[in-house]
Amino acid sequence: NAGVMQNPRHLVRRRGQEARLRCSPMKGHSHVYWYRQLPEEGLKFMVYLQKENIIDESGMPKERFSAEFPKEGPSILRIQQVVRGDSAAYFCASSPPGQIEAFFGQGTRLTVV
Amino acid sequence: GESVGLHLPTLSVQEGDNSIINCAYSNSASDYFIWYKQESGKGPQFIIDIRSNMDKRQGQRVTVLLNKTVKHLSLQIAATQPGDSAVYFCADGLGGYGNKLVFGAGTILRVKS
Repeated sequence: NAGVMQNPRHLVRRRGQEARLRCSPMKGHSHVYWYRQLPEEGLKFMVYLQKENIIDESGMPKERFSAEFPKEGPSILRIQQVVRGDSAAYFCASSPPGQIEAFFGQGTRLTVV
Repeated sequence: GESVGLHLPTLSVQEGDNSIINCAYSNSASDYFIWYKQESGKGPQFIIDIRSNMDKRQGQRVTVLLNKTVKHLSLQIAATQPGDSAVYFCADGLGGYGNKLVFGAGTILRVKS
């Protein structure tokens, strides 16, 4: 059973471009969470999704950021018109229904130049 | 509001000694606590968890202690090894439906050979 898969591992974007981060949860996991980690800091919750539903997006910036978890395919975190402050590591975690423990992917390191 | 914080940002221990990493939390409604280990360039790796109705839980070489009276959590690592060198995060989950986690800033554990 493969773990949580994130791609790309590293992403470089120029200011103003769009960034798309993908996350494939573990098999059988229908809950997906996105977290952001700035250097030397802990992870900050962004959004919690289930298939085709956003359950909690209280940690998502109101503008430029969006997330989806379609019925088929990976979860996508999309950042429009990126700015330097968006540079961070973005981690995805997944868990099965009814279970608390979440498993994290290796993260996508976004660098905005 | 919720907050989880760590007392010591960096801990250096000699190989073979025991390590103790501390964490304070502020949300008395917290139901679930997790310790994660994060190695450089990787995602957080689950170490051990504990529910609020427990005060101690043991794993392989690790023990988590929970003191609800003072809202304090600790991770004890027995016979620390070089492979234990990493950043350790405590995280606070409210359990139940979904798994939004609040992470502390992290403690760097350095093991000296």
